Amino acid sequence: GAVVSQHPSWVICKSGTSVKIECRSLDFQATTMFWYRQFPKQSLMLMATSNEGSKATYEQGVEKDKFLINHASLTLSTLTVTSAHPEDSSFYICSAAGDGLNTEAFFGQGTRLTVV
Amino acid sequence: RKEVEQDPGPFNVPEGATVAFNCTYSNSASQSFFWYRQDCRKEPKLLMSVYSSGNEDGRFTAQLNRASQYISLLIRDSKLSDSATYLCVVLERGFQKLVFGTGTRLLVSP
Repeated sequence: GAVVSQHPSWVICKSGTSVKIECRSLDFQATTMFWYRQFPKQSLMLMATSNEGSKATYEQGVEKDKFLINHASLTLSTLTVTSAHPEDSSFYICSAAGDGLNTEAFFGQGTRLTVV
Repeated sequence: RKEVEQDPGPFNVPEGATVAFNCTYSNSASQSFFWYRQDCRKEPKLLMSVYSSGNEDGRFTAQLNRASQYISLLIRDSKLSDSATYLCVVLERGFQKLVFGTGTRLLVSP
């Protein structure tokens, strides 16, 4: 299957700093990328959907100024957690999808963020 | 009402058992449907897509009922390695949203 590379796989940062997470589709053009957050023992919660070259669409309750998403090319999307706080500690996963009906979504490996 | 609903379980079954999961979705305009498997602390991985005609892959069978807006996954001859969380995923029209159910946890015991 297609490969989506996400890094870093884990990061520890101080409260108040910003963290950037990258998501790359390695062998296909990702028209759409999705960013999810997963707290322990909970399901994946969609944070935002981004289409290449357009502004991301954020889900209700997700602060767009805090979680900056950039999808500048068909192979790269980034999520920046600005001024991170301990409550932002979570598992963040990106997913990429190409064009076409019944297109699968492929997932990155996830990033475990711990804010101390 | 949640967009995609699943029974969280856990479903505890012995090896060799047959187990079925159901999932309901609220948006009738949903375009595509999938079952994903997620192991603890790992990313979700596609198990199978779900088509209206139903599809089978080895011990796994998926069904879609658009009229009733539900999706099912049947696992036959359960293995210990099937223990995981199974996520129902719905892709809404135009890739506007890829929505996950809460997941159903399966525990297969010896």
